[in-house]
Amino acid sequence: KAGVTQTPRYLIKTRGQQVTLSCSPISGHRSVSWYQQTPGQGLQFLFEYFSETQRNKGNFPGRFSGRQFSNSRSEMNVSTLELGDSALYLCASSRTSGGLNTGELFFGEGSRLTVL
Amino acid sequence: TQLLEQSPQFLSIQEGENLTVYCNSSSVFSSLQWYRQEPGEGPVLLVTVVTGGEVKKLKRLTFQFGDARKDSSLHITAAQPGDTGLYLCAGASGTYKYIFGTGTRLKVLA
Repeated sequence: KAGVTQTPRYLIKTRGQQVTLSCSPISGHRSVSWYQQTPGQGLQFLFEYFSETQRNKGNFPGRFSGRQFSNSRSEMNVSTLELGDSALYLCASSRTSGGLNTGELFFGEGSRLTVL
Repeated sequence: TQLLEQSPQFLSIQEGENLTVYCNSSSVFSSLQWYRQEPGEGPVLLVTVVTGGEVKKLKRLTFQFGDARKDSSLHITAAQPGDTGLYLCAGASGTYKYIFGTGTRLKVLA
């Protein structure tokens, strides 16, 4: 069974540019969430999607956006990149469809973004 | 703002020693999970605890959820080099969202 696939694995951008990251969830998983991981702040929740709808959003500026397609694949976009956006961006898929969050998050290996 | 504080932040021990990692919050969580993350990989789920006071064992790892569902602990018996990694607790916050702890970086020396 294929795991969560994130592309690209590594990328370097300069300030002011924009970036799009892609995530393919495990087959059958309809919930996709995104997290930013940095040494100083740890893992921080960005947003969660289910059936192409954003159900929850973390405390990030509007430069961070995402979407989910009908096949459950998801993309996140960061516009007008800042140095502080350098981080590992992790995508996680889950079978959870509602109610209590007891479902397991299956993480991809992440996309490591460096902003120069 | 819900926060999960983990302690210690860093831990370096010899193979065979025991250790405990703590995860504390002032907020109540409906469930709490523990993950381990190794370099270059995403976190992998170790356990989910749901009921206050619940204790779960996974081989040499023992997980406990506090009675008030605000804190949790992870105890490792006879640590091995393969236990090395970043340990993260995560609390279910409302719906569709997990709050992750600050992390405990464990290194077990052979």
